[in-house]
Amino acid sequence: EAGVAQSPRYKIIEKRQSVAFWCNPISGHATLYWYQQILGQGPKLLIQFQNNGVVDDSQLPKDRFSAERLKGVDSTLKIQPAKLEDSAVYLCASSSSLEWGYTFGSGTRLTVV
Amino acid sequence: GEDVEQSLFLSVREGDSSVINCTYTDSSSTYLYWYKQEPGAGLQLLTYIFSNMDMKQDQRLTVLLNKKDKHLSLRIADTQTGDSAIYFCARRNNAGNMLTFGGGTRLMVKP
Repeated sequence: EAGVAQSPRYKIIEKRQSVAFWCNPISGHATLYWYQQILGQGPKLLIQFQNNGVVDDSQLPKDRFSAERLKGVDSTLKIQPAKLEDSAVYLCASSSSLEWGYTFGSGTRLTVV
Repeated sequence: GEDVEQSLFLSVREGDSSVINCTYTDSSSTYLYWYKQEPGAGLQLLTYIFSNMDMKQDQRLTVLLNKKDKHLSLRIADTQTGDSAIYFCARRNNAGNMLTFGGGTRLMVKP
């Protein structure tokens, strides 16, 4: 089966600019997650979707970050405006209620200069 | 302290066994996972253990869970240079099925 697809692979922007990341989960996986991984740290959950509804967005900085999963499949994560401390790898993952595992995409590496 | 904690660094010689340790605070964790991350790559699931198990073995990997002490370990037998990577411990909570990760342990294997 195809894995979790993410794009772009890399992105460099200036602070105060906007950026958007895209994720296509494994077909049939109802749950989708966005994680932020700052260099030298473990991934931290930003937001969790179940189909097209938000389950947990308590760690999402809502003044600048937004995410949507309109049709319960693909998802986009947006940062507007970006800050230097947003430099990180943004990982998308998906899971199915029928399975125990989570599959991660390769991530988008964001550098804010 | 942090929800899931790991030591930062481990160095072993090729052919030796590696033991990576992890402690967690939330006793309601259902599944516990070990992921491997190579430079510039995503997270690769290595193995997992359900919270009612004490041990799980999968080829060169052995996972030990001490639920009383909330301690998880990953043993890699006959460690190879290709095992050099960052290893993350993660727990799945009982409610929202989200994963909480430790900070990662960097394993360096010397030839």
